[in-house]
Amino acid sequence: GQQVMQIPQYQHVQEGEDFTTYCNSSTTLSNIQWYKQRPGGHPVFLIQLVKSGEVKKQKRLTFQFGEAKKNSSLHITATQTTDVGTYFCYPWGGARQLTFGSGTQLTVLP
Amino acid sequence: DTGVSQDPRHKITKRGQNVTFRCDPISEHNRLYWYRQTLGQGPEFLTYFQNEAQLEKSRLLSDRFSAERPKGSFSTLEIQRTEQGDSAMYLCASSPRLDNNEQFFGPGTRLTVL
Repeated sequence: GQQVMQIPQYQHVQEGEDFTTYCNSSTTLSNIQWYKQRPGGHPVFLIQLVKSGEVKKQKRLTFQFGEAKKNSSLHITATQTTDVGTYFCYPWGGARQLTFGSGTQLTVLP
Repeated sequence: DTGVSQDPRHKITKRGQNVTFRCDPISEHNRLYWYRQTLGQGPEFLTYFQNEAQLEKSRLLSDRFSAERPKGSFSTLEIQRTEQGDSAMYLCASSPRLDNNEQFFGPGTRLTVL
């Protein structure tokens, strides 16, 4: 199956600090998606990255896809309490098994 | 509400009983996925359908699990002879087509096996 490691597993930040989560794959990915899951909620799609070296921004969120298409990152600038949740990467394509990353649980302290 | 719906939202059953869950995807979405999620873990892939065809099934999935999507619309997931280890949230998601595989998740069915 597609082996993906996501780090860190947990992250506590003060409101206003930045946050980054990384997703690393043992194999080259076709593309990668990112999802956010609020406590008690279901995963919600954030973005899909397809091209090598791609960078996409959504307000305070910046998503990157590595040049080798083996890793990806999500960076949040100046976190807010509404950013609380677990962020999952989801590698896509070319793999017989489809699996989410283990997730990074973000806590934002006011 | 035109999102993905799942029924029931909660199910409590005794070990050894069979349970069936239903998922209604967003209309015209070709792909439908089933996942299982336990506390503190990411969703674990179970199976997915392209229209009515079941294209992939997790190797981790026991023979007690079966899924159908008979007319390419709604889907059912059945678990036979439930075990306590089956207790989890069962999530369904749908996506429009191969070149747009953003997945829209339903609220899930929480299964508790006593």
